Amino acid sequence: SQQGEEDPQALSIQEGENATMNCSYKTSINNLQWYRQNSGRGLVHLILIRSNEREKHSGRLRVTLDTSKKSSSLLITASRAADTASYFCATDARNNDMRFGAGTRLTVKP
Amino acid sequence: DAGVIQSPRHEVTEMGQEVTLRCKPISGHNSLFWYRQTMMRGLELLIYFNNNVPIDDSGMPEDRFSAKMPNASFSTLKIQPSEPRDSAVYFCASRTSGMGEQYFGPGTRLTVT
Repeated sequence: SQQGEEDPQALSIQEGENATMNCSYKTSINNLQWYRQNSGRGLVHLILIRSNEREKHSGRLRVTLDTSKKSSSLLITASRAADTASYFCATDARNNDMRFGAGTRLTVKP
Repeated sequence: DAGVIQSPRHEVTEMGQEVTLRCKPISGHNSLFWYRQTMMRGLELLIYFNNNVPIDDSGMPEDRFSAKMPNASFSTLKIQPSEPRDSAVYFCASRTSGMGEQYFGPGTRLTVT
């Protein structure tokens, strides 16, 4: 069964704009991860945030985690057409079990 | 390292046939995961192994599905007999247990007619 649930399901923006995707989950986690998937490819890891962290940055990516609300957000700043992909959150539970959400399909128009 | 290797990349078979998907994890990784991805159900965890031992197979849809990991460098996912609703992309991923990031293979696109 899936753990994380992404919101929105689809997002379309213009190049240069920021894109924000949200993820909610249900159980206790060890960490939460975000992945990207280009059409027809496997998932690629973007960033990991531990349960005791609240915010993390990596290049144009900013991830927040609120364990009290069981939610996370991924912000992509100054988006580019090449950022067009599906983005998934994955919860990493203490039993080494990882579950993925349904994903957000991001389209960045040039 | 070549990354996670999956074979075949594409498989087309007729209903009722046996299908075997193969995965070679990254050397040194001791956790291996099998996922299935469809438009309707998204990315589903089927089973995962730690140190070649199946830990959780609750995601395996039915008895027609079985997975093995005879050694640290090889795993198979078998469907027997296959059905059209098994059509999906099957991903294998590996990581060092407890270390977070998973590395995904390119996937096997299975079509059952």
